[in-house]
Amino acid sequence: TQLLEQSPQFLSIQEGENLTVYCNSSSVFSSLQWYRQEPGEGPVLLVTVVTGGEVKKLKRLTFQFGDARKDSSLHITAAQPGDTGLYLCAGRETSGSRLTFGEGTQLTVNP
Amino acid sequence: EPEVTQTPSHQVTQMGQEVILRCVPISNHLYFYWYRQILGQKVEFLVSFYNNEISEKSEIFDDQFSVERPDGSNFTLKIRSTKLEDSAMYFCASSVAGPFQYFGAGTRLSVL
Repeated sequence: TQLLEQSPQFLSIQEGENLTVYCNSSSVFSSLQWYRQEPGEGPVLLVTVVTGGEVKKLKRLTFQFGDARKDSSLHITAAQPGDTGLYLCAGRETSGSRLTFGEGTQLTVNP
Repeated sequence: EPEVTQTPSHQVTQMGQEVILRCVPISNHLYFYWYRQILGQKVEFLVSFYNNEISEKSEIFDDQFSVERPDGSNFTLKIRSTKLEDSAMYFCASSVAGPFQYFGAGTRLSVL
C-alpha cells in the first residue's frame, strides 16, 4: 500500500491570509483527489488532478499535481472563515482503483 | 445534484452480531467502494466492486466482511460477527470511472 503524508496537520490563520497544504509520497499515483470533510460527514470531492504538472483552479483554491505525480498542493488565497474544515488528499494507486488517504489538514480561519 | 445515500446514519450493535450497512450509489455509476474511518484516524480502503464482483480488497476486508449488490440500486456491506474494533464510520463511494469517487455521508457503527 502506498503512503501519503499531508502537512501541516493543523493550521490556524487569520481571515485574508494565504495558505498552502502539501501532500507528499515516495510513490507515483495515477491521480490525486482533494476532499473536504466536515465533522460527522463524508468527504466531499473538490477536485481531481490526473496529469503530472497539472494545475486546476476552483475560485480561490489552486490545486497542483507534481510533475512526477508523487506530490500535490492546495493553495488558498485570501482565506475566509467559511474555508474552515478538514482537507484531505487521496491518491489513486497506479494498480487498481483504491484511494489512499492522507491524515488530513485541519484548517481554522479566524475572522 | 445526485448523491450517494447511506442508511442507517448510526447503527448500534452487540459484539458478535451481524450488521448490514446499506448504500444507494449514484445511478449511472459503475464502480462501488467501501471505506472506513476509525475515530481520529485516516480514511482506509476496504473493497471495490465492479461488474458484480469484487475487483480489489484490502487486508482489513477479511472473511467477516462481504459485499453485495442485491438489485440495481443498492450496494451493501455485511459484517458477520462484529468485534469492538469494527466500531468506525463506514463510507460508501461510487464512481463512473476510477478517479472520481463520490462519498456518502457515512454510517457510524458502534459495537458494544
